Amino acid sequence: EPEVTQTPSHQVTQMGQEVILRCVPISNHLYFYWYRQILGQKVEFLVSFYNNEISEKSEIFDDQFSVERPDGSNFTLKIRSTKLEDSAMYFCASSDGVSNQPQHFGDGTRLSIL
Amino acid sequence: SQQGEEDPQALSIQEGENATMNCSYKTSINNLQWYRQNSGRGLVHLILIRSNKREKHSGRLRVTLDTSKKSSSLLITASRAADTASYFCATAWTGGFKTIFGAGTRLFVKA
Repeated sequence: EPEVTQTPSHQVTQMGQEVILRCVPISNHLYFYWYRQILGQKVEFLVSFYNNEISEKSEIFDDQFSVERPDGSNFTLKIRSTKLEDSAMYFCASSDGVSNQPQHFGDGTRLSIL
Repeated sequence: SQQGEEDPQALSIQEGENATMNCSYKTSINNLQWYRQNSGRGLVHLILIRSNKREKHSGRLRVTLDTSKKSSSLLITASRAADTASYFCATAWTGGFKTIFGAGTRLFVKA
């Protein structure tokens, strides 16, 4: 069964540095998402991406964040000037529709900011 | 803001028993979904129920939806130790891309 893959599984970065989290969505999916889960808390929506542009974003997704689909397979989340509170699990998801379609999640990247 | 909230926060049962988890939300929705998350893993989609449906079954799972009360329940019958995980409800509304997850119910099934 096709799956969403995320790399790296764990990223350790010094505060203030930039990180890029990578995702390979399921190949025939058209809708892509990033979520964040701080340890012990709920999964929070960050951004959705469709047709090479952001379709919706949350208040968390400020100028510090950006997403890109640099080629036909990868979907990346860039976090600039990382802060301690950016430490969390970041999940990528994809779906083949926006309404009434399940999202398929990767296993996440654990981001640790020191 | 639209938000799913589950209860109980944690549930511990014996293998073979049924587990019921509840979810409430605040605004109109297009559908409601339930996901499972094993420790350290991503979320796995379990079942989706559209807003015009009241009940849906899938294997040992039964989901109900009451849009008048803005609530849903997930029933897992004949639970197994492998069902031990966190369960989240998630809501989405028509025309929106945003999916809102609740805080989750941690289910522990004792063998």
